[in-house]
Amino acid sequence: GDSVTQMEGPVTLSEEAFLTINCTYTATGYPSLFWYVQYPGEGLQLLLKATKADDKGSNKGFEATYRKETTSFHLEKGSVQVSDSAVYFCALSDSNYQLIWGAGTKLIIKP
Amino acid sequence: DARVTQTPRHKVTEMGQEVTMRCQPILGHNTVFWYRQTMMQGLELLAYFRNRAPLDDSGMPKDRFSAEMPDATLATLKIQPSEPRDSAVYFCASGYGGGQETQYFGPGTRLLVL
Repeated sequence: GDSVTQMEGPVTLSEEAFLTINCTYTATGYPSLFWYVQYPGEGLQLLLKATKADDKGSNKGFEATYRKETTSFHLEKGSVQVSDSAVYFCALSDSNYQLIWGAGTKLIIKP
Repeated sequence: DARVTQTPRHKVTEMGQEVTMRCQPILGHNTVFWYRQTMMQGLELLAYFRNRAPLDDSGMPKDRFSAEMPDATLATLKIQPSEPRDSAVYFCASGYGGGQETQYFGPGTRLLVL
């Protein structure tokens, strides 16, 4: 079945460092891919999405490109801030229109 | 700014008691999801409705959990009887579209069963 694998956390970086959180997927068909973010004590919120191969999703300085050839959707940000500390979830939409979730990666940014 | 609302935000109860959680999806959305989040299991899909009809509740323990949508503005998740292992954060999410739509999450209900 469809699945999502993302790098284990926590990932700890200093402020202004470059961020990459890896996400790879296995799917039949052509799923849409998503990154959601969960701040402490809150629900998940959509960060960005891409609906077809080579699409780039971007929001709040974060970017991810849908790479069909490597079945990846890695999240990147050029310069992280303390306020980016959160848990990040990669997900894909399956043929039943449900989201298949990765395990989440906790990101800690130190001043 | 339309949002998914959930009540209560926090619930502490004793084992064996009934727990009812409520969700108001974003107006106009036709899909509703119930998730459970724990440290050990991560995010689990419990049930999924489209146009108020249950499409998938395979992730839900049938003997004690039930999910309903009495109308388009209300979804409920009930646990009876509750057990300590049900302690978790329960999220409701809603969406709209023919497929692969974005899900919008509520703030969650944090449940503690003693």
